[in-house]
This record gives sequence, structure tokens and C-alpha cells, in this order.
Amino acid sequence: QKEVEQDPGPLSVPEGAIVSLNCTYSNSAFQYFMWYRQYSRKGPELLMYTYSSGNKEDGRFTAQVDKSSKYISLFIRDSQPSDSATYLCAMKEGDGGATNKLIFGTGTLLAVQP
Amino acid sequence: EAGVAQSPRYKIIEKRQSVAFWCNPISGHATLYWYQQILGQGPKLLIQFQNNGVVDDSQLPKDRFSAERLKGVDSTLKIQPAKLEDSAVYLCASSLLAAYSNQPQHFGDGTRLSIL
Repeated sequence: QKEVEQDPGPLSVPEGAIVSLNCTYSNSAFQYFMWYRQYSRKGPELLMYTYSSGNKEDGRFTAQVDKSSKYISLFIRDSQPSDSATYLCAMKEGDGGATNKLIFGTGTLLAVQP
Repeated sequence: EAGVAQSPRYKIIEKRQSVAFWCNPISGHATLYWYQQILGQGPKLLIQFQNNGVVDDSQLPKDRFSAERLKGVDSTLKIQPAKLEDSAVYLCASSLLAAYSNQPQHFGDGTRLSIL
């Protein structure tokens, strides 16, 4: 079993739709959860960064973490064609060491149709 | 703020040849990471430097891969000899200090390596 599971998609939605992207994980030591956006032939760009359980909102993006279910989500409201990209979830364990090792999901390819 | 710089952007070589990639992190970032991203997968950490010391190289295939970060700034990653399965995008990332876990990692655009 992989440490982090993510549906690879592709996911195609019409412009203006609400998008839900999800990851599950098996390592209960993960405490920091991130979502990266990666455009074609570009590096991952950090979108959201959350610690432990709860919700975080930034503009059209909302990140949710449910540690009891080992499940994280990213919601995109009013999706735009410019949101078309691969979305990667990533997570890492907490404080206590010098390593900052991220474990990534495989990424979900999202296409927003105009 | 200038981002993480990587070169070259693309490289095509034949198997058994050698190749090197270069990374310049964001100014002031003490921690530097090299990731391998195979098509259709998420990035996988190869090696992490804190200044010029190695923190984690547990997933680096040391029989063929090597990396250095002299002077604690720029870094190079080398593959010698290359195998077909090394075809991937090699991403460099940097962060302020790994010991403070709320420091995010910032990625460069990577070097896309194709092995023929």
C-alpha cells in the first residue's frame, strides 16, 4: 500500500463548477498537509499549507484535513480554465528532526472547459 | 524574489552516458532538495542538503547518482552511467530551514531528461 493515494483522473469540468480533489494516506504521523499545482512543463507551485485537522480558505481554494479518517481535500470554487493543471497533494511528519521530507501523491490532472 | 533556477531545461543522452544538472536555490535558503518525478507520478525525494551537509540521501541510488553542494549555495546532481529508467524530470527545491517544519519548499521548473 502506498503511503499517499490520489486519484490520477483526468477530471474534466465546465467553467464555474466546484472541483473536489482528494487524497488518502496511511501514515498517522503526518501532520503537515500541502497542495501543489503543477502546470505542464513547470515545477510544482505551493497552493495551500495546513497543519493538523481543520479547514483553511484562500480565495477560491479551500483545504480540508480530517486526520481521524486520514483524508484530505482541496475544493476549488468557480473554476476557471486557468485552473487546468495537475494537482499534487503532499504531506510530512511533524517537528523533531532536521528532515523536511515530503511524500507526494501521484497527482490529479484537472481540465476546466470554457 | 527570484525563484529556484535550474539548468539545463532539457537533456537527451544515450544509456550509459553521464549527465549533470545544476540548481541555484532562492537566496538565503539553507535547505536544498533534489527530487525525481517520473511521468505520471509525484516527485520522490532523492537527497536533502542542509547548507553543505547531507541530511537525507536514503533514496539516492548511490551506485550511479551523486550530488554535491559546495559552499552551501549551488548544487549539482550527476548520473553516471545513465539507465533507461532514469528518464524523468529532476526537480530542485529549497526552503529556509528544514528544522522548522512550517517552512514550505519552493520548486524550480526542473530538467527533463530523456535516455535513448
